[in-house]
Amino acid sequence: NAGVTQTPKFRILKIGQSMTLQCAQDMNHNYMYWYRQDPGMGLKLIYYSVGAGITDKGEVPNGYNVSRSTTEDFPLRLELAAPSQTSVYFCASVPPGREGQPQHFGDGTRLSIL
Amino acid sequence: AQTVTQSQPEMSVQEAETVTLSCTYDTSENNYYLFWYKQPPSRQMILVIRQEAYKQQNATENRFSVNFQKAAKSFSLKISDSQLGDTAMYFCAFMNQGGSEKLVFGKGTKLTVNP
Repeated sequence: NAGVTQTPKFRILKIGQSMTLQCAQDMNHNYMYWYRQDPGMGLKLIYYSVGAGITDKGEVPNGYNVSRSTTEDFPLRLELAAPSQTSVYFCASVPPGREGQPQHFGDGTRLSIL
Repeated sequence: AQTVTQSQPEMSVQEAETVTLSCTYDTSENNYYLFWYKQPPSRQMILVIRQEAYKQQNATENRFSVNFQKAAKSFSLKISDSQLGDTAMYFCAFMNQGGSEKLVFGKGTKLTVNP
């Protein structure tokens, strides 16, 4: 298993551009999450999904969109990039079954908007 | 909403010594889960230890142990025999029971282990 795979690892965008951060997991996990980590801060939840076709907002959803058409993939879309979205983005997933399991994280995408 | 507070932005310790990182949280729930994650300079998020709130026994994982005080809503991490590879950011995180397994993170403590 590759675990949680995020692409790209680094990206620089211009203000107003759009892009999609990709996240895929091959562990058949139902729950998936997107977090952002600003410098010197902890992770904050952007969006999450409890299964294909089901998504919900987290703490900081403004400026982002998500979709979950398959169990494996959970892309995060930035429509009009703003400097405030400069951050490191992490995708995570949790296996089904027993509650309270630790999340499995991808390696992150560092995004700079200039 | 739950909040997690890590009051020590930075700490340092000598190699082979013991260090304790503090974490407090605020919740009105009775059942929940607590975690410590390590983030080395490589940026990976690595699980260190997990605690179930309904278990009074403190979790341990080799050199890592916690002091879980439910009434005080405190969840500190003790690292024994510190090693250079322990240098990292450490994040305390809270997960509510029945809350879609979402995590709420503290701001982190930067730990430096000195040779």
